[in-house]
Order: sequence, then structure tokens, then C-alpha cells
Amino acid sequence: AQSVTQLGSHVSVSEGALVLLRCNYSSSVPPYLFWYVQYPNQGLQLLLKYTSAATLVKGINGFEAEFKKSETSFHLTKPSAHMSDAAEYFCAVSEDYGGSQGNLIFGKGTKLSVKP
Amino acid sequence: DTEVTQTPKHLVMGMTNKKSLKCEQHMGHRAMYWYKQKAKKPPELMFVYSYEKLSINESVPSRFSPECPNSSLLNLHLHALQPEDSALYLCASSPMRVAGPQETQYFGPGTRLLVL
Repeated sequence: AQSVTQLGSHVSVSEGALVLLRCNYSSSVPPYLFWYVQYPNQGLQLLLKYTSAATLVKGINGFEAEFKKSETSFHLTKPSAHMSDAAEYFCAVSEDYGGSQGNLIFGKGTKLSVKP
Repeated sequence: DTEVTQTPKHLVMGMTNKKSLKCEQHMGHRAMYWYKQKAKKPPELMFVYSYEKLSINESVPSRFSPECPNSSLLNLHLHALQPEDSALYLCASSPMRVAGPQETQYFGPGTRLLVL
């Protein structure tokens, strides 16, 4: 079975600092990986996804992630944090049921706090 | 129209009540999902509908009954719930233009349910 592990349940950065949220995956087949963001009392919004087309994936709001097969990682980064980035971030892998759609397996999430 | 809508936003119900959650999308997506998210936890898949047919049921108790009357609408009927069923219930949809797990799931804002 596929899974993802997010290192650090809570990350705190200063405004303007680099954001690095870590995600490692476990998969016996090439994975499809996603990063979602959840603002308080809201649903999930897709930031970016990896589908093997390119190892460096650019997403919305200035976020990007790099797929590293040798490290089984898909870490999320942003060069300069904004106060509006404060939210919960979920890494997910899509499991193939052998049918026509996948099942998202989420990591436990990382809460990002941004200090002024 | 690029969003998934869910009603109601909040719901309080007793253990003997019957209520329904509604999810709607007008993006032409042919897969729809129900997830349950407990506080400070990642979403967990409950049900998947593909082309209005139930394709995945993740061993959810029968007090939760999904229904997909048409390609745009997904309901979750609730009956005799327990206090531990209190959670955020998220609906999602995906296009199913490409078979397989690489498709993006688009989430609604959720219904926050409290069972007394």
C-alpha cells in the first residue's frame, strides 16, 4: 500500500523567510503526489501535483515542489512566506484501485504558522 | 463554474434524527467523493461514485447512506449517528477524463456536523 509521511506537525517561520514542508512517500510503483492546503474552517485547495511529467512542479501562490525518487521525497517550498500562507498543508498520494479513479491517501498534515 | 458547493455549512443533530448533506458540482465531473475529517486529522475517504454508481465503500457504518441521483449531485443521508461521528464532511469531485489516479480532486468547503 502507498503512504506519505509528513515530517513536523507544526512549522513556524517569519514573514519573508523560506518555507519548507517535508513529505516522504512510500510506493512500489511510480506515485502520483499532491499537495493540498486547508485554511481554517474551509475545504482543501490543490496547490500542485506530480504526475511524472517534470520533477520540479510549480503550483499556485508561489509554491513549488521537487520530486526526488532517490530520496522518496516531495518537499514543498516557497521562497518568501506571507502571513496569508498560514494554514494546514497536506501531502497526499493517489492510490490506484485498478479502476478508473484513484483514492487519495493523506499525510497527517503540517500546520504552518507565519510570524510577523 | 469551477467549484463544489456543500449545504448546509453547519449541522447539529441528535442521535435519533435523520438528516442529509448535499453536494453539488457543475463542472461535468463524473466521479464524486465523500470524506470525513476529524479535528486535527487528515481527511479519510468514505465513498466514491463513478458515473453515478457506487464504486468504493470504505467499510463505512450503515448509518451513513450515500446517494447519487444524477451526475451533478451527491447526497449523504445520516441516521442514528453517534457523537463520535461529529466531524467535517468533505465532498470532492474529479473529471474522469483520464482513467487512473493522476486526476485532481476538487473539494467543497465541507459541512461541519455536531452530533449531540
